[in-house]
Amino acid sequence: EPEVTQTPSHQVTQMGQEVILRCVPISNHLYFYWYRQILGQKVEFLVSFYNNEISEKSEIFDDQFSVERPDGSNFTLKIRSTKLEDSAMYFCASSVAPGGDQPQHFGDGTRLSIL
Amino acid sequence: RKEVEQDPGPFNVPEGATVAFNCTYSNSASQSFFWYRQDCRKEPKLLMSVYSSGNEDGRFTAQLNRASQYISLLIRDSKLSDSATYLCVSRTGGGNKLTFGTGTQLKVEL
Repeated sequence: EPEVTQTPSHQVTQMGQEVILRCVPISNHLYFYWYRQILGQKVEFLVSFYNNEISEKSEIFDDQFSVERPDGSNFTLKIRSTKLEDSAMYFCASSVAPGGDQPQHFGDGTRLSIL
Repeated sequence: RKEVEQDPGPFNVPEGATVAFNCTYSNSASQSFFWYRQDCRKEPKLLMSVYSSGNEDGRFTAQLNRASQYISLLIRDSKLSDSATYLCVSRTGGGNKLTFGTGTQLKVEL
């Protein structure tokens, strides 16, 4: 079964440093997402991306965050200047199409630890 | 009020039991609903979509009541491998973002 893959599985970074989280969505999927889950809390939406543009973003996704699809397979999340509160599990997801009953399929996540 | 609300549990049930989880949502514009399961420190995995007419997938049955803004998940003949956190998820019409509940923890015991 095709799956979303994420690298690295664990990233440890000093506060204030930039970090890039990488994702390879399922190959025929056109819609891409990032979510995060702070330990012990619920999964929260960050951003959705289609046709090389952000289609929706949450309040969490401020100017410190950016997303990019640098080539035909990768989808990245960049945090410019990390804060302690950015420590969380970051999940990438993809779907064939938006909306309706189209499910989003999640990667196994990157655990980001900010020191 | 939380947009998607669930009883956090834990629900501790013996193997073979039937267990039901409930979920309520506050945004009447929510159009699509899903149940995901999440094992400890793992990614959410789609369990099933929820349709207005109700739907079944093996031992799992999901129901949606739009008038009451209520979703349920019934698990019959519980297995040890069903132990996980069950996430109630909504998607609001016109948008792509999924809104997650905090999850209900299920522990199936021998």
